[in-house]
Amino acid sequence: NIVMTQSPKSMSISVGDRVTMNCKASQNVGNNIAWYQQKPGQSPKLLIYYASNRYTGVPDRFTGGGYGTDFTLTINSVQAEDAAFYYCQRIYNSPTFGGGTKLELK
Amino acid sequence: EVQLVESGGGLVQPGRSLKLSCAASGFTFSNYGMHWIRQAPTKGLEWVASISPSGGSTYYRDSVKGRFTISRDNAKSTLYLQMDSLRSEDTATYYCATDYYSGVFLFDYWGQGVMVTVSS
Repeated sequence: NIVMTQSPKSMSISVGDRVTMNCKASQNVGNNIAWYQQKPGQSPKLLIYYASNRYTGVPDRFTGGGYGTDFTLTINSVQAEDAAFYYCQRIYNSPTFGGGTKLELK
Repeated sequence: EVQLVESGGGLVQPGRSLKLSCAASGFTFSNYGMHWIRQAPTKGLEWVASISPSGGSTYYRDSVKGRFTISRDNAKSTLYLQMDSLRSEDTATYYCATDYYSGVFLFDYWGQGVMVTVSS
C-alpha cells in the first residue's frame, strides 16, 4: 500500500507570508495527487487535483506542484482565512490521505 | 446547488450494526460515483468505501471488507453504508462525497458529516 507522508505537521505563519508544505509518496504516483483544506468544524474542500490543477473557485494564491513521489502545496500571501488543516491524497483506487499539516496564523 | 446530507449516526455498542444514509440533491446522482470517507476524533481523513454510478462496482478499504456494505438507490438519489460488526476503531465522523471524475476517487462535494460512536 502506498503511504503518504506530510511535513511539517504544523506551521505558524504571519498574514502575507508565503508558505510551502510537503507531501511524499512511498511509491511513484505520477501526478495523481490532490490537496484538500479543512477548517475546524467543517468538511474538507478540494483545492488542487492532478498535482497542479486548481479546483473551481480556488484562489490563485494556492499552487500545487511536484511529480512522482514529492509534492508541494504553496500558498502565496497567506490570508487569515487560510488557517486550516491541509491534506494530500493519492487519487485512483485505494485512495490514501496524508496525515495533514496544520497551518496556524501568528 | 449540490447538497449531500448524511444521517443515521449515533452511539452503538461494539458488535452491533448501523446504517448511514446520504441524501443527494442538485445534480444527476445516477451519473456519479460516490464515496464514504471517515475521520476519527482529532485524526486525519481515511477513505472507507466507494461505489460506481450504476452500483455495479464497489470498493472497500481492507479494515472494513466483509463488515461494511456500500449501496445506492438511484431512484431515491441516496447513498448508504451498512456497517456491521462495529468496532471501537470505527468511531469517526463519516462523510459522503461525490466523484469529480468517474473512477478517479477524487472527492469534490462533501456532506457535513455524521458521527458514529462505537462504545459499550
